[in-house]
Amino acid sequence: GAVVSQHPSWVICKSGTSVKIECRSLDFQATTMFWYRQFPKQSLMLMATSNEGSKATYEQGVEKDKFLINHASLTLSTLTVTSAHPEDSSLYICTATKGSMGQPQHFGDGTRLSIL
Amino acid sequence: AQSVTQLGSHVSVSEGALVLLRCNYSSSVPPYLFWYVQYPNQGLQLLLKYTSAATLVKGINGFEAEFKKSETSFHLTKPSAHMSDAAEYFCAVSTDAGGTSYGKLTFGQGTILTVHP
Repeated sequence: GAVVSQHPSWVICKSGTSVKIECRSLDFQATTMFWYRQFPKQSLMLMATSNEGSKATYEQGVEKDKFLINHASLTLSTLTVTSAHPEDSSLYICTATKGSMGQPQHFGDGTRLSIL
Repeated sequence: AQSVTQLGSHVSVSEGALVLLRCNYSSSVPPYLFWYVQYPNQGLQLLLKYTSAATLVKGINGFEAEFKKSETSFHLTKPSAHMSDAAEYFCAVSTDAGGTSYGKLTFGQGTILTVHP
């Protein structure tokens, strides 16, 4: 089946650090990738939609200058959390889809970000 | 706009008993509906999906769900619970928003299923 890989799986860093998270579709071309955030004991909330070769579309309330998304190829999207603070600590999950209607999104295992 | 409501943040059943996890949705256009399962410290795994074909959808691990348009529901069931079913379950809805918003998911709050011996 379709595989989506996230790297790193766990990050602990100091406040003010910028952190880059990679999301790769290993065996298919992902025209669209989505970035979600899941705080403890809460559901997933969509942060942004990333289409290959174009600017990401951010959900309301998500700061595009803080969460930089790049989708340079059909198999790779990156999320950079700039100047991370403790309130940014969360599980960040990417998904990838081939883009056909009704196609399920394939989930990465998530990147757990802890800001000290 | 689309939304999902999962009734009951926690459901507890005995091993061998019926599992019923409730999901109601709101959508201005015909929806695509999904159930996902999340085991501790893992990502989400697709259980099943409804994409406007058969209203009764069968998924993995013996789960199934029935799309009822009149009730705007997509409840998840399993006839006999197993200890390995203990996890958190998320219902999600997707609609064709067109353009760059193709297929984005809106999730319910999740239901934690506990299975007792």
